[in-house]
Amino acid sequence: GAVVSQHPSRVICKSGTSVKIECRSLDFQATTMFWYRQFPKKSLMLMATSNEGSKATYEQGVEKDKFLINHASLTLSTLTVTSAHPEDSSFYICSAGWFSGRGADTQYFGPGTRLTVL
Amino acid sequence: GENVEQHPSTLSVQEGDSAVIKCTYSDSASNYFPWYKQELGKRPQLIIDIRSNVGEKKDQRIAVTLNKTAKHFSLHITETQPEDSAVYFCAASNNNDMRFGAGTRLTVKP
Repeated sequence: GAVVSQHPSRVICKSGTSVKIECRSLDFQATTMFWYRQFPKKSLMLMATSNEGSKATYEQGVEKDKFLINHASLTLSTLTVTSAHPEDSSFYICSAGWFSGRGADTQYFGPGTRLTVL
Repeated sequence: GENVEQHPSTLSVQEGDSAVIKCTYSDSASNYFPWYKQELGKRPQLIIDIRSNVGEKKDQRIAVTLNKTAKHFSLHITETQPEDSAVYFCAASNNNDMRFGAGTRLTVKP
């Protein structure tokens, strides 16, 4: 299957700082990238959907000024957690896929980033 | 929006037995239903998927069934092995996004 990388895999930061997480599709061009947040022993919660070259679509309850998403190319999307606080500590997973217009296709997940805010 | 419910939340079976996990969805526009297996601290891995124009799909010990009328789909694992132990997520997708069920923690006892 397709390969999606995510960097960094783990980050610890102080409260008030900003953290950038990169998601790359390594061997295919992804028209759409998704960002999920996962709490311990919980399901994946969709945060936002981003299409290359356009603004991300955020889910209800997700602060767009808090979680900045940039999808600059067909192989790279970034999530920046601005002014991080301890409650932002979580496992963030990106996925990449393509939607041909004929229907949804498989998403390939990155390995995830564990963010700990002290 | 789409709402996906998954049952049971935990499932314990004896090695060799079968395991069944069931999901229901609400959005009739959903047309793609993947199942993911996630081991602790790892990324979800696609194990099988089914599209809305198919009622059943099988891949070795894993099968998925879809009932569009009732809006439910199920994962069947036969001859379970200890390495099948993990959390399994169902998902439903329309042309725009994907929603996940809450997950089922499967434990296969040797």
